[in-house]
Amino acid sequence: GAGVSQSPSNKVTEKGKDVELRCDPISGHTALYWYRQSLGQGLEFLIYFQGNSAPDKSGLPSDRFSAERTGGSVSTLTIQRTQQEDSAVYLCASSTGLVGEQYFGPGTRLTVT
Amino acid sequence: AQKITQTQPGMFVQEKEAVTLDCTYDTSDQSYGLFWYKQPSSGEMIFLIYQGSYDEQNATEGRYSLNFQKARKSANLVISASQLGDSAMYFCAMREGFQSGNQFYFGTGTSLTVIP
Repeated sequence: GAGVSQSPSNKVTEKGKDVELRCDPISGHTALYWYRQSLGQGLEFLIYFQGNSAPDKSGLPSDRFSAERTGGSVSTLTIQRTQQEDSAVYLCASSTGLVGEQYFGPGTRLTVT
Repeated sequence: AQKITQTQPGMFVQEKEAVTLDCTYDTSDQSYGLFWYKQPSSGEMIFLIYQGSYDEQNATEGRYSLNFQKARKSANLVISASQLGDSAMYFCAMREGFQSGNQFYFGTGTSLTVIP
């Protein structure tokens, strides 16, 4: 079956512009996570959604970052007024089931010039 | 305090040898899950193995096994018979509670290089 998909795979934007990153989780997965990974670094948690519950936004680094999950499926991460330090790979993952292991998408590489 | 600590930024192993990647965790919960992921240079994160806090047996998946020492709060990954394709970053992670939607905490990773 289809895995987690993310689009675009690469995004180059100018400082100050807004960007939207999309994540399409595995069908039926109730939990969806966003992470940020800077070059050579570990994963920085941003936000997660679980079913219809209010999302856990505790990892969002500033109010320029926001995320939505429509209909319990597709999620969009929006970064407003991008800064150069926002350059990173943004990873999305979904999970379900008793073990709840996460399945990751291929990521979106964001470059802010 | 860090929830997950991986103290080995880089490791080298000879092909066909076994290697242990260290991971310690910090939680006051009784119920939690421990995970290992592999990230090759291509960038995708691949789930390898899971250990639940109440599992008495160490988890095994093919050449991967998880050396779970609950009292020491360690969850080391053992890779047996290393292959060149095992060269990658390896991340240890923990989820507190058993609900699939709980937050995951990741370590900083260990870069493994398999030498021919």
